[in-house]
Amino acid sequence: GAVVSQHPSRVICKSGTSVKIECRSLDFQATTMFWYRQFPKKSLMLMATSNEGSKATYEQGVEKDKFLINHASLTLSTLTVTSAHPEDSSFYICSASHVDEQYFGPGTRLTVT
Amino acid sequence: GESVGLHLPTLSVQEGDNSIINCAYSNSASDYFIWYKQESGKGPQFIIDIRSNMDKRQGQRVTVLLNKTVKHLSLQIAATQPGDSAVYFCAEVRGNTGKLIFGQGTTLQVKP
Repeated sequence: GAVVSQHPSRVICKSGTSVKIECRSLDFQATTMFWYRQFPKKSLMLMATSNEGSKATYEQGVEKDKFLINHASLTLSTLTVTSAHPEDSSFYICSASHVDEQYFGPGTRLTVT
Repeated sequence: GESVGLHLPTLSVQEGDNSIINCAYSNSASDYFIWYKQESGKGPQFIIDIRSNMDKRQGQRVTVLLNKTVKHLSLQIAATQPGDSAVYFCAEVRGNTGKLIFGQGTTLQVKP
């Protein structure tokens, strides 16, 4: 149980376009999901906390207008990278809270050309 | 600023040996810590956790030690296997928000 999926697993897009990444809790409901970003050989950096039915809470330094988060249901949160640039290329990972634990998705590799 | 960090970026061990991965944290108010394993291209996987009212917790082949006096965590892996090769992160759970603050990570390499 407690499986989290992400889609797509890999995406390549051109500069200036927008990309949407989905995070789904498959067998549980999650009122809170988290989005992380990870650069190669680096740690996970929390970007934002996504709460179902309300606005996301962004960490300091994360542009909310660039990284749009929507948590419209108890099993789905989406992260949209708007007007993507090569520096947005990264590994994006979501997690969903269930009971007292966070369960992580497999990550999405974004490459902006 | 506050941080959770690791002492060594890479640890190389022989298969069958025990591994010890260390982590230092700076927020003395933290009361819950988690160790994660991350394989290449995948999301983190929960290994073991510990609360501040404990100084040791054991799982299957893994043990976490917590020294609150010096704000230090360690993860011990017994009889390390090739499948243990991965990056290991300690994470501090911040308050009741559930936010995880990750350390820098240690790469564990297991030599056959």
